Amino acid sequence: KQEVTQIPAALSVPEGENLVLNCSFTDSAIYNLQWFRQDPGKGLTSLLLIQSSQREQTSGRLNASLDKSSGRSTLYIAASQPGDSATYLCAVVRDRGSTLGRLYFGRGTQLTVWP
Amino acid sequence: NAGVTQTPKFRVLKTGQSMTLLCAQDMNHEYMYWYRQDPGMGLRLIHYSVGEGTTAKGEVPDGYNVSRLKKQNFLLGLESAAPSQTSVYFCASSARVSRLAFGSGTRLTVV
Repeated sequence: KQEVTQIPAALSVPEGENLVLNCSFTDSAIYNLQWFRQDPGKGLTSLLLIQSSQREQTSGRLNASLDKSSGRSTLYIAASQPGDSATYLCAVVRDRGSTLGRLYFGRGTQLTVWP
Repeated sequence: NAGVTQTPKFRVLKTGQSMTLLCAQDMNHEYMYWYRQDPGMGLRLIHYSVGEGTTAKGEVPDGYNVSRLKKQNFLLGLESAAPSQTSVYFCASSARVSRLAFGSGTRLTVV
């Protein structure tokens, strides 16, 4: 069974810091990995998707990397802002035939950026 | 473009009552999913569908049924609600194995 772990569970930083969120997964046979953002009381918003053949993806101040062989991904947020405060979740899609398309989620990292 | 729409947004049920949660997407997505989110448990997959007329069980399917009679709709049914089904339910859709689009959620309380 695929298990996804996110460290740290919570992070509180001052505005302007560069920060790294970590995600690890137990089964390296993945199709892709996705990072999401969830604001309190809201649904999830897709941030980045990395295909298994890719090493990284960038969107604005966000950069996600993938090391499939070691089962790790990192989300790098540059020059953090209070508006970045949210819970960040990673999810992997297994590359296993009939279960292709199922996502396995980590429990998230709750980020607080204070002014 | 509405994306993924869930109805209702809130509901309180008595134990033993039944209800149906509706998910509708207007993006012509093949894949649709139902998740529940509970504190400390993260998101758990209940059921999913890879196309019209097909459904499959996820991690926590017991007590729920689903139907995908039309490509754009995915219904989640609770036949006899239990307090353990108190949760926030999210529907999501994707074009095959691509980025998921989520609905805004349904908060269900079973008393």
